[in-house]
Amino acid sequence: EIVLTQSPGTLSLSPGERATLSCRASQSVSTNYLAWYQQRPGQAPRLLIYASSSRATGIPDRFSGSGSGTDFTLTISRLEPEDFAVYYCQHYGASVYTFGPGTKLEIK
Amino acid sequence: QLQLQESGPGLVKPSETLALTCTVSGGSISSSSPYWGWIRQSPGKGLEWIGSMYYSGSTYLNPSLKSRVTISIEKSKNQFSLRLTSVTAADTAVYYCARFTGAAVVSWGQGTLVTVSS
Repeated sequence: EIVLTQSPGTLSLSPGERATLSCRASQSVSTNYLAWYQQRPGQAPRLLIYASSSRATGIPDRFSGSGSGTDFTLTISRLEPEDFAVYYCQHYGASVYTFGPGTKLEIK
Repeated sequence: QLQLQESGPGLVKPSETLALTCTVSGGSISSSSPYWGWIRQSPGKGLEWIGSMYYSGSTYLNPSLKSRVTISIEKSKNQFSLRLTSVTAADTAVYYCARFTGAAVVSWGQGTLVTVSS
């Protein structure tokens, strides 16, 4: 069973800054099966990135994903006020979907 | 645009069965996506995949919940359902119905809070 760890647990930044969020898998995973989601308070999550680096429909290009093996990164190049939310990584493998614990991105 | 909407009781007694339905609009459940399923989120906690079902009937379930979960599809009503038996307070959560590709969750319902309490 693959376990996902996200760091940091909370990230405090200001609008306009660059955010770097990390997702680490307990064993090497295929880049095809790593996704990222954003969840704003009171809302359902929404898909941002799939296959490690492909943006979902309608997602601004300030969001980018990268990584391979066990280490993956979600980068937000210039934070907008609406980007302050919780971010989850997710892996699919052996017909099982696994989510990380999340990183809370808060306004500094 | 495809939309998903959960419905069902917001309060379930311990040891009873939680039953939720997801209604799909804006597209056919038989043709819009490979998988349909459920994810939950306990208050203040992270996301937990419950299970997914291919429209043809193949079902994949979270091993930790497998013995208590049934997912079914009603194609004629464009709906799919979740049944979770023998619930406890630990099953209190927001339950989301969702549309999956093979590797990611591409659409989510708005979520429905189910509280387990006597």
